[in-house]
Amino acid sequence: GIQVEQSPPDLILQEGANSTLRCNFSDSVNNLQWFHQNPWGQLINLFYIPSGTKQNGRLSATTVATERYSLLYISSSQTTDSGVYFCAVGAQYNFNKFYFGSGTKLNVKP
Amino acid sequence: NAGVTQTPKFQVLKTGQSMTLQCAQDMNHEYMSWYRQDPGMGLRLIHYSVGAGITDQGEVPNGYNVSRSTTEDFPLRLLSAAPSQTSVYFCASSSDSLYGYTFGSGTRLTVV
Repeated sequence: GIQVEQSPPDLILQEGANSTLRCNFSDSVNNLQWFHQNPWGQLINLFYIPSGTKQNGRLSATTVATERYSLLYISSSQTTDSGVYFCAVGAQYNFNKFYFGSGTKLNVKP
Repeated sequence: NAGVTQTPKFQVLKTGQSMTLQCAQDMNHEYMSWYRQDPGMGLRLIHYSVGAGITDQGEVPNGYNVSRSTTEDFPLRLLSAAPSQTSVYFCASSSDSLYGYTFGSGTRLTVV
């Protein structure tokens, strides 16, 4: 299967700071999504972004498929942004099989 | 309310027992999948289905069975529970596996 590596594994921010989370993957993909898991365990889909750039409020994401990485930007962080951010990919040869990275745990302090 | 419903939320099993984790969605999604999440790790795909009557194995299928007789339901069966199956299980659905997923709230399973 595809290897998905996320960095950094842990991140502590002061409220209002900006951050960049990275996702590297080992093969060509046609499906890449970012998820947020809140401290209560609920998983929320943030972006479907196999290539290009998207923005949603304070969050934006960029995927450079040819170089096999994706970035998630969080601007003006808030305590409600805390949780774990996962990148997940589906291979071009079988996009129904979805592989998750091990996540970046974000703690935003007030 | 629209969404993915998982039951039960918590379960304790003894080694060797069997049980079925239920997953139902009311969004008419064709694609459904089961994941397990172990401490400090991402989610790993167990089984998935692209429509009623069609299922396939994911990354970690051993010890689990699935079937998809209706669009709405996708149960996950543990035939003989083992301590290694202690985990949090998530069910997800989407109208198309390429697009946004909706996850259930999870089932926390402990096998003793």
